[in-house]
Amino acid sequence: EDQVTQSPEALRLQEGESSSLNCSYTVSGLRGLFWYRQDPGKGPEFLFTLYSAGEEKEKERLKATLTKKESFLHITAPKPEDSATYLCAVQVSETGNQFYFGTGTSLTVIP
Amino acid sequence: DAGITQSPRHKVTETGTPVTLRCHQTENHRYMYWYRQDPGHGLRLIHYSYGVKDTDKGEVSDGYSVSRSKTEDFLLTLESATSSQTSVYFCASRSQVWAQYNEQFFGPGTRLTVL
Repeated sequence: EDQVTQSPEALRLQEGESSSLNCSYTVSGLRGLFWYRQDPGKGPEFLFTLYSAGEEKEKERLKATLTKKESFLHITAPKPEDSATYLCAVQVSETGNQFYFGTGTSLTVIP
Repeated sequence: DAGITQSPRHKVTETGTPVTLRCHQTENHRYMYWYRQDPGHGLRLIHYSYGVKDTDKGEVSDGYSVSRSKTEDFLLTLESATSSQTSVYFCASRSQVWAQYNEQFFGPGTRLTVL
C-alpha cells in the first residue's frame, strides 16, 4: 500500500534556528514528490517538485532534497512568516493522475 | 496564480440531504480534483477528472459523485449527507502543459458541517 509519512507532526523554532522536515514514502513507482505550504483556513500552495534521487530545489529560505526513500525540507534561518503547515505529496506511476498526501508538519517560528 | 474558486465556502446541512459543491477554474486546466481534509488524515482524494465527462474514483469515493460538463466546472455531490462527511473540501486543478504538468493549484476550500 502506498504511504506517505511526515515527521515531526509539529515543530517550534526560534527565529533564525535552522531545521529540517522529513517526508518518507513507500510507493510503487514514484513519478514525483511535491512540497506544499498551507496557511490556516487556506488551500495548499505549491512549493517544489522533485523527480529523482539526488535532486535539490531551493526557494528563499527553503531547500528540498530527495533520496530513494525520503525527502527533506530544510529551513534555513526561519522567520515568523514561515510559520505554516508543510505538506508532502507523491504521484505514483501506476495511475499518474493520483496524488497521495502526508498529514503535514505544523511549523511555528517564534520571534 | 491559477484562478480557482469554490462555492459555497461554508455550509451547514442535515443528515440525509443532498449537497453539491462547485469548483470553477479559469485556467483551462485539463485535470481537476476533489479532496477532503480531516485532522490526522491529511488530504485524501475523493474523485478526479482527466477531461470533460471523464472522471475516476479516488481513495475515499463512497457516498460521493462528481460531474464535469465543462472544462472550467467540477461538481461534487454528496448524495445523502452523513455526519462522517463533515470535513473541509478542497478542489484542485492541474495543467496539461509540461512546464506546469505536475503542479496542482488549490482552491480556498469549503467547510461542510453535517448535523
